[in-house]
Amino acid sequence: DAGVIQSPRHEVTEMGQEVTLRCKPISGHDYLFWYRQTMMRGLELLIYFNNNVPIDDSGMPEDRFSAKMPNASFSTLKIQPSEPRDSAVYFCASRRTDTQYFGPGTRLTVL
Amino acid sequence: GENVEQHPSTLSVQEGDSAVIKCTYSDSASNYFPWYKQELGKGPQLIIDIRSNVGEKKDQRIAVTLNKTAKHFSLHITETQPEDSAVYFCAAKSGGTSYGKLTFGQGTILTVHP
Repeated sequence: DAGVIQSPRHEVTEMGQEVTLRCKPISGHDYLFWYRQTMMRGLELLIYFNNNVPIDDSGMPEDRFSAKMPNASFSTLKIQPSEPRDSAVYFCASRRTDTQYFGPGTRLTVL
Repeated sequence: GENVEQHPSTLSVQEGDSAVIKCTYSDSASNYFPWYKQELGKGPQLIIDIRSNVGEKKDQRIAVTLNKTAKHFSLHITETQPEDSAVYFCAAKSGGTSYGKLTFGQGTILTVHP
C-alpha cells in the first residue's frame, strides 16, 4: 500500500494568495483527518470526515479555511486568502479501524 | 472534550538506558491509546497502541501500560539507541460525541546520546 499521499510536499506563497493542499487517503479507509502542526500549538485537528461527510470542523481556525472531500479517494484543504500566520506543516491522516495513518505532510510557508 | 497531558516535554538519556514518557487523559470514556513517533521532516508513525480492556502491551523494546482508574498511560523504551531519538506523541480516542477523534499530547523530544 502506498500510504496516505499528500501534495505538494512544500508550498511557498505570498500573503493573500489562495493555497490548496491535497490528500489521497489509504484505499478502504472511511475516516480522513486534516491536522496542522506548529512549534507553538503542537498538533491541532482542523477537521475530519467520515464517509466523505464532514463530522467536526470545530478546529478550523477561521472562514479563510475550507475543506472538501468529493469522493472517498480525495480531499482538499484550501486557504483563501493565506496569511503569514498560516505557515505550518499540514498533515492528512486516514483510518478504517482505530489505527490512524499520517501522510508525509505539506510544509506551507506564507511570505 | 478530551484533554491529554504529556510529560516530560524533553528527555535526554544515554544509549542503553531506559526512557519513560507519561500521559494523563480526562475522558473516562476514551478507549484507545496510541503512541506515535515523529522523525524530523516526516509524519507521525504509529509505534504501539493499547485498548482500554488491556493493562499492558509489549513489542520488542517498547511497551505501553494503561491505568484506567488513574486515567494515565505510559510508554517505556528499553535499551535505547540513537535512532530512537525523535518526538513522541501520546493520544487518546474519545468516546461520546467526539467518536473517532484522537486528542494528542504536546509531545516529548527524546534524545539518545551515543
